[in-house]
Amino acid sequence: GAGVSQSPSNKVTEKGKDVELRCDPISGHTALYWYRQSLGQGLEFLIYFQGNSAPDKSGLPSDRFSAERTGGSVSTLTIQRTQQEDSAVYLCASSLGTSGSHETQYFGPGTRLLVL
Amino acid sequence: AQSVSQHNHHVILSEAASLELGCNYSYGGTVNLFWYVQYPGQHLQLLLKYFSGDPLVKGIKGFEAEFIKSKFSFNLRKPSVQWSDTAEYFCAVNNAGNNRKLIWGLGTSLAVNP
Repeated sequence: GAGVSQSPSNKVTEKGKDVELRCDPISGHTALYWYRQSLGQGLEFLIYFQGNSAPDKSGLPSDRFSAERTGGSVSTLTIQRTQQEDSAVYLCASSLGTSGSHETQYFGPGTRLLVL
Repeated sequence: AQSVSQHNHHVILSEAASLELGCNYSYGGTVNLFWYVQYPGQHLQLLLKYFSGDPLVKGIKGFEAEFIKSKFSFNLRKPSVQWSDTAEYFCAVNNAGNNRKLIWGLGTSLAVNP
């Protein structure tokens, strides 16, 4: 079946502009995660959605970052007033649930963001 | 705070050599453990995982990992590597309680020479 999809695959923007990154999880997956992979650093958790529960936003690096998940499916990560340090690969993952083997996370191809 | 340490940043092997990649984590509670692989030009995919039960877990493509709780380790092994195993390998951990976010190691880049 279809995996996690993300768009755009690449995004180049100017410092100070806003960007929106989209994630389509695997159909039927209730949990959705955003991570960031910066050059020379490991993957960094950003935010996590599970069903109708309040999202875990503990990984968002600043208030310029926000994310929504509409209808329990598609998610959008928004970065306002982008800075050069926001340049990274933004990865989305989804899982069937959050217990036992259902919590295995499946990853999309990522969006490579470059802020000039 | 949880953290994951991967000891080898870059590994170069010849085909048929044995592989062991180290992974240690710091967390006092119950954890789930994962190894993910990223082949060149591809996205992250799950190699294997440990939730509970037999601490020796087997994954795809002949990989296995052993959870040693007393050492807080989850090392990845393969007895004989192939050129197609060239990839970036990531160890990750999450809290088996309420928090599902994955904490990641920095990754190990493996190059297998034919």
